[in-house]
Amino acid sequence: SQQGEEDPQALSIQEGENATMNCSYKTSINNLQWYRQNSGRGLVHLILIRSNEREKHSGRLRVTLDTSKKSSSLLITASRAADTASYFCATVFNTNAGKSTFGDGTTLTVKP
Amino acid sequence: DGGITQSPKYLFRKEGQNVTLSCEQNLNHDAMYWYRQDPGQGLRLIYYSQIVNDFQKGDIAEGYSVSREKKESFPLTVTSAQKNPTAFYLCASNSGRALGTGELFFGEGSRLTVL
Repeated sequence: SQQGEEDPQALSIQEGENATMNCSYKTSINNLQWYRQNSGRGLVHLILIRSNEREKHSGRLRVTLDTSKKSSSLLITASRAADTASYFCATVFNTNAGKSTFGDGTTLTVKP
Repeated sequence: DGGITQSPKYLFRKEGQNVTLSCEQNLNHDAMYWYRQDPGQGLRLIYYSQIVNDFQKGDIAEGYSVSREKKESFPLTVTSAQKNPTAFYLCASNSGRALGTGELFFGEGSRLTVL
């Protein structure tokens, strides 16, 4: 399968702690995106990182990309209870006509 | 407000019936997508459309059909040929000029349950 795979499947932390989620993929990508999904809702775009970029920041979010290891990580700093959600990475492969392929997600629970 | 509107939010279907899920966008995006999500899993691509009057099958197109007669609209029909249609269906559009270069904007989803 070409899809990205998130790790861990589930993560439970206390408010104020940092949360790190990882995504691995198998073939060359055009870009990689992270999305958030609250239970029973649609997905919301967080960050897009292109294959020639190594790190991007957006508020409390930091995304890294290591194309040599075919992996990306999403770091949420100073987590809040409102960060509780599922987080998905979506990879756009060079050979897949620009379609986004999603992993199974990491379910993050932030305890107040 | 700009965005993607999916309807209905909840839908119940008897076995053997076709149902159509609506997806409308006012973002002026060319590309639109339909995804299926099963509990605890990621999204799987059903169909996508890059321009009006053109669409392509995704990874799990069997038992589904779509049309793209207008830029704003991309309805999905779940036919009786779909053996396990109970799922959460998500419609999305892409902001990028080229397919896959921009972010995806999602609707709030339609939950289909087969009775």
